[in-house]
Amino acid sequence: GAGVSQSPRYKVAKRGQDVALRCDPISGHVSLFWYQQALGQGPEFLTYFQNEAQLDKSGLPSDRFFAERPEGSVSTLKIQRTQQEDSAVYLCASSLVLRTRDSSGANVLTFGAGSRLTVL
Amino acid sequence: EDKVVQSPLSLVVHEGDTVTLNCSYEVTNFRSLLWYKQEKKAPTFLFMLTSSGIEKKSGRLSSILDKKELSSILNITATQTGDSAIYLCAPNNNAGNMLTFGGGTRLMVKP
Repeated sequence: GAGVSQSPRYKVAKRGQDVALRCDPISGHVSLFWYQQALGQGPEFLTYFQNEAQLDKSGLPSDRFFAERPEGSVSTLKIQRTQQEDSAVYLCASSLVLRTRDSSGANVLTFGAGSRLTVL
Repeated sequence: EDKVVQSPLSLVVHEGDTVTLNCSYEVTNFRSLLWYKQEKKAPTFLFMLTSSGIEKKSGRLSSILDKKELSSILNITATQTGDSAIYLCAPNNNAGNMLTFGGGTRLMVKP
């Protein structure tokens, strides 16, 4: 697609419910990232995929958080037994892996509009 | 642990003013630094800086990196109300795969 698409845009969950947030990256983008952005703060890294492989999940705050990208395109972030502190905007971003001549490997991420989760 | 600090936290100016936003960082294996503008939800890319002292410019916005001081600045001249947003800086580290974001500077431009 033309951009990164996320759904739902808004989700209200009762504490204890499970939620699933979906990300459709830009077609052909190898890398996919999930970030969590609390109100008034910058995005915090959650996890990173290269194709279907989850190469880094160091940012996932607890074992209630799980992400997958089974076919190397669409990704789902699942949060089990939601808590109030999970309330945030969840941003997905994708990128081509750039290989520059000087191997800077700089990665320009294109973000989706995010999914705002509110846990009551 | 990687650390990114942006200042000021927030800024209110009037149209036509010039602003300078600051970003300082401590990251392992620094590769580059990116600036993003976030108006509603999705941060949008502004600049990528890899070399010290080379100014990147786009219209009224410009940015420069100082690797010796581990910092970057983003300048906006002749500000407009449409510049109101949160400006995020993000160093790119290690394998270049992950961006570590600062807390952002919230800029409000009043007419």
